[in-house]
Amino acid sequence: DSGVTQTPKHLITATGQRVTLRCSPRSGDLSVYWYQQSLDQGLQFLIQYYNGEERAKGNILERFSAQQFPDLHSELNLSSLELGDSALYFCASSETEYTQYFGPGTRLTVL
Amino acid sequence: KNEVEQSPQNLTAQEGEFITINCSYSVGISALHWLQQHPGGGIVSLFMLSSGKKKHGRLIATINIQEKHSSLHITASHPRDSAVYICAALNSNSGYALNFGKGTSLLVTP
Repeated sequence: DSGVTQTPKHLITATGQRVTLRCSPRSGDLSVYWYQQSLDQGLQFLIQYYNGEERAKGNILERFSAQQFPDLHSELNLSSLELGDSALYFCASSETEYTQYFGPGTRLTVL
Repeated sequence: KNEVEQSPQNLTAQEGEFITINCSYSVGISALHWLQQHPGGGIVSLFMLSSGKKKHGRLIATINIQEKHSSLHITASHPRDSAVYICAALNSNSGYALNFGKGTSLLVTP
């Protein structure tokens, strides 16, 4: 158990809908990273937050947004969902810039 | 083009064999991670390397910064080692986010 929790575990929704994925980092970790894993693209970095502020952006679509709250949990919002957004979404947290601890992931299926 | 390349893509070995998975990267990095992903999907960090060599049980990871190359070795492989192994470069220019290889799918047969 990494200490990082993600909810929900599974999410099935329809095209055009909006969903919110939640991540609670390990106690004391200030950084949260979001990653997407799809069959064709593999793992890709989406966005990083550090202590409530956006720190780095990767291949995140404009339809996606994220935030980190004062209690350090983070939410990834995915809107106007398309079939291609079906993927595993992982968050990871870290205390230092080197070691990252991954959550169990949220499996999103868009029908 | 992915900045992190892994080989082989797929690997089948018999129990007890010595296994090597290779990773090459094309950008300057702060460190390199080796991750393990089991069929259930969960990701576990095995090693984080910035130089030299690390060992944990039957797993050994090495990195050569000058050659931009890292290897993951598994000694006395076992069917429970069957998983996808992913190397990921930590790029200090992108907020310390990870840049991933495509993964090596390992199957160890009894």
